[in-house]
Amino acid sequence: QQQVKQSPQSLIVQKGGISIINCAYENTAFDYFPWYQQFPGKGPALLIAIRPDVSEKKEGRFTISFNKSAKQFSLHIMDSQPGDSATYFCAATWNYGQNFVFGPGTRLSVLP
Amino acid sequence: EAQVTQNPRYLITVTGKKLTVTCSQNMNHEYMSWYRQDPGLGLRQIYYSMNVEVTDKGDVPEGYKVSRKEKRNFPLILESPSPNQTSLYFCASSSPGADEKLFFGSGTQLSVL
Repeated sequence: QQQVKQSPQSLIVQKGGISIINCAYENTAFDYFPWYQQFPGKGPALLIAIRPDVSEKKEGRFTISFNKSAKQFSLHIMDSQPGDSATYFCAATWNYGQNFVFGPGTRLSVLP
Repeated sequence: EAQVTQNPRYLITVTGKKLTVTCSQNMNHEYMSWYRQDPGLGLRQIYYSMNVEVTDKGDVPEGYKVSRKEKRNFPLILESPSPNQTSLYFCASSSPGADEKLFFGSGTQLSVL
């Protein structure tokens, strides 16, 4: 019930392509869905986040699409760049951010 | 600069030898938490704290202790480390009243031999 499933485990995209990472959850108590980006040797950092009353949020080349009825959300990276190569974690929180659940992560490689 | 500071960055120890990983934040955040990161499992919450003297178990608390005597510090204690605690550990903090954004430290790579 507390799990967040994430796919794919790894992703290779050509420069300029679109990267898509998908996540799914079960617990309807989740009320905040962030994506974190992690570069090697660094801690994760918040990339973009969405609340369940919104179906889409866009910040620059990064877009979250949220489907409440299907309990799924996804990250789209448009015009992917080699600098986007990192591990991406979807997450879900409830109880005003007191509890976080993270997906297993997707390692993205963007080829030049 | 706003940051979460963990020490040490790398730690190699032997089974049963007590160790402490320190965590400090300078953002006056009420909420602090510890995670471990393992390949294919993502980040799993070990313990969290909503404020001074208030701590609670996360998803994988066995073998770990924490304390929150001061708002800025949240040390992670392994009283008798075992090889299955070899992992990458992250401390994080946030201010839940403002938003749920977690600020992470740079991580501590622990190897228990």
